[in-house]
Amino acid sequence: DGGITQSPKYLFRKEGQNVTLSCEQNLNHDAMYWYRQDPGQGLRLIYYSQIVNDFQKGDIAEGYSVSREKKESFPLTVTSAQKNPTAFYLCASSIDREGSPLHFGNGTRLTVT
Amino acid sequence: KNQVEQSPQSLIILEGKNCTLQCNYTVSPFSNLRWYKQDTGRGPVSLTIMTFSENTKSNGRYTATLDADTKQSSLHITASQLSDSASYICVVSPFSGGYNKLIFGAGTRLAVHP
Repeated sequence: DGGITQSPKYLFRKEGQNVTLSCEQNLNHDAMYWYRQDPGQGLRLIYYSQIVNDFQKGDIAEGYSVSREKKESFPLTVTSAQKNPTAFYLCASSIDREGSPLHFGNGTRLTVT
Repeated sequence: KNQVEQSPQSLIILEGKNCTLQCNYTVSPFSNLRWYKQDTGRGPVSLTIMTFSENTKSNGRYTATLDADTKQSSLHITASQLSDSASYICVVSPFSGGYNKLIFGAGTRLAVHP
């Protein structure tokens, strides 16, 4: 079955530590995205990548970093510079065709204390 | 500022009843409007995608309507089931904006009770 796998599902970290969230897809999609979801708010775009070895900042990139060394993988690192990192993080992918749906993973819930 | 507003924030209905969720947007011009279903603790799943020229799109018991003149969309759920309990998210794509410009509503949380 094709899809997007995010791991781990739950992640707990102490303040000041960097943490990396994994996202792997086997849909052969060129484009991948990271969103952050907070209660009562719409999804906000952190970073996106339209092709291997290239990525762009989204609306809330500060305190985050990504890499895209392989088509299948788009890991997100939440750094200690992110002021409020506790949130639900969603990875998505799409084909490059207008009107195509975004395919989402099942998310990673990060709690920083 | 482009916005997508959804109402109500939450809704409780009895199993078997119908319901309608609303989405108002200020995005203009726009390319398409999408509805997603998100189960608790899971990622959103696409229900419908409508271009600006479409008025209605169905997916089983889910029917989305679009009025581009009033900038309103609705999602109608017929004969609700317990499995319909989820958040429903409206997403608007600005014209020629690309996927990096999608604007997400905050969602409506639906609870279907037996």
